[in-house]
Amino acid sequence: EIVMTQSPATLSVSPGERATLSCRASQSVSSSLAWYLQKPGQAPRLLIFDASTRATGFPARFSGSGSGTEFTLTISSLQSEDFAVYYCQQYNSWPITFGQGTRLEIK
Amino acid sequence: QVQLVQSGAEVRNPGASVKVSCKTSGYTFTSYYMHWVRQAPGQGLEWMGIINPSGGSTTYVEKFQGRVTMNRDTSTNTVYMELSSLRSEDTAVYFCARGAIRGVIFTSIDYWGQGTLVTVSS
Repeated sequence: EIVMTQSPATLSVSPGERATLSCRASQSVSSSLAWYLQKPGQAPRLLIFDASTRATGFPARFSGSGSGTEFTLTISSLQSEDFAVYYCQQYNSWPITFGQGTRLEIK
Repeated sequence: QVQLVQSGAEVRNPGASVKVSCKTSGYTFTSYYMHWVRQAPGQGLEWMGIINPSGGSTTYVEKFQGRVTMNRDTSTNTVYMELSSLRSEDTAVYFCARGAIRGVIFTSIDYWGQGTLVTVSS
């Protein structure tokens, strides 16, 4: 099983600043990596797929990068609605696995 | 538009079983794999397995083998997840979620149900 490790567990950032979230895979997942955001009481929402492709409805301030074992989600200028928990997920091999999440909170 | 509507919250005693339904609409039901993901209170996301609504084939995470059954009803475009021998650690929100690419088993997940809270308590 591929273990996905996200860092940091919690990230405190001020609105308007940049946030950088990391996700590391225990073995290569190629570019089969997705990012989701989840707000309290809601289902997760697909944000990025194939490591760097933004899902429908998300603005350009969200960007994903990386391949193999190291991935990054960058939010260039945080808005109030961006504060949430972010999860990475690999779908390169069975079983599909998620990271433990990064909580992005307002500083 | 694509919709996944799940059944309501359930409370079960330890050792019992629960069956959660996920009724879909807005797309061709048999063309996209359906995942089941759960989330314990305050915890992260845990992938449980997947079903191909076309033929009904399933793949389960080893952890749930022998306790979970996923099936579907093509006449109502509904998938089901049944978990048996429930224990307190199974208390969680259970999500059905559609694979993003038609006919591909391992993909990202583009649509999610609203979640069903299953509480296991005596």
